Amino acid sequence: KQEVTQIPAALSVPEGENLVLNCSFTDSAIYNLQWFRQDPGKGLTSLLLIQSSQREQTSGRLNASLDKSSGRSTLYIAASQPGDSATYLCAYGGSNYKLTFGKGTLLTVNP
Amino acid sequence: GAVVSQHPSWVICKSGTSVKIECRSLDFQATTMFWYRQFPKQSLMLMATSNEGSKATYEQGVEKDKFLINHASLTLSTLTVTSAHPEDSSFYICSATFEGSKNYNEQFFGPGTRLTVL
Repeated sequence: KQEVTQIPAALSVPEGENLVLNCSFTDSAIYNLQWFRQDPGKGLTSLLLIQSSQREQTSGRLNASLDKSSGRSTLYIAASQPGDSATYLCAYGGSNYKLTFGKGTLLTVNP
Repeated sequence: GAVVSQHPSWVICKSGTSVKIECRSLDFQATTMFWYRQFPKQSLMLMATSNEGSKATYEQGVEKDKFLINHASLTLSTLTVTSAHPEDSSFYICSATFEGSKNYNEQFFGPGTRLTVL
């Protein structure tokens, strides 16, 4: 059974700091890896999707990497802002088209 | 593009009643729709996968007679929680995929429905 682990569970940083969120998975037969943002009581906002053939994707201040051999993905957030405060979820996409989600990292960026 | 809506956004019902949640793809025809459930401070758990015109495939441990899924068209799937009980209170989120998306098989998520059973 595929397992997705996110570390840390919670992170609090001062505004302007660069930070890294970690995601690990157990099955290397990955199809794609997605990072989402979820605000309290809200749905998911897709941030980045990395196909298995890719090593990283970038969007603005966000950069996500994928290392299939080690079963890891990281989400790098540059120059963090209070508006970045949210829960960040990573999701493993397998060949069966299903997504397996981690429990998320709760990020707080303090002004 | 690739917008998914859900209705209602929140619902409160009495124990024993049934509740229907709609999931619509607004600007595309959905190949497949997925239903997830999220308990407080937990991650999303896939409940079932549905394709238009065919029976839904339920994940292990999900009662198909309790969570009825109908996928009558390429733009609409419904989830009916039958004889709801307080333990069914949760955040229900749907997603959809479509052929021809930029990233093959990418799922686009709805805003979720908060169900509270009294």
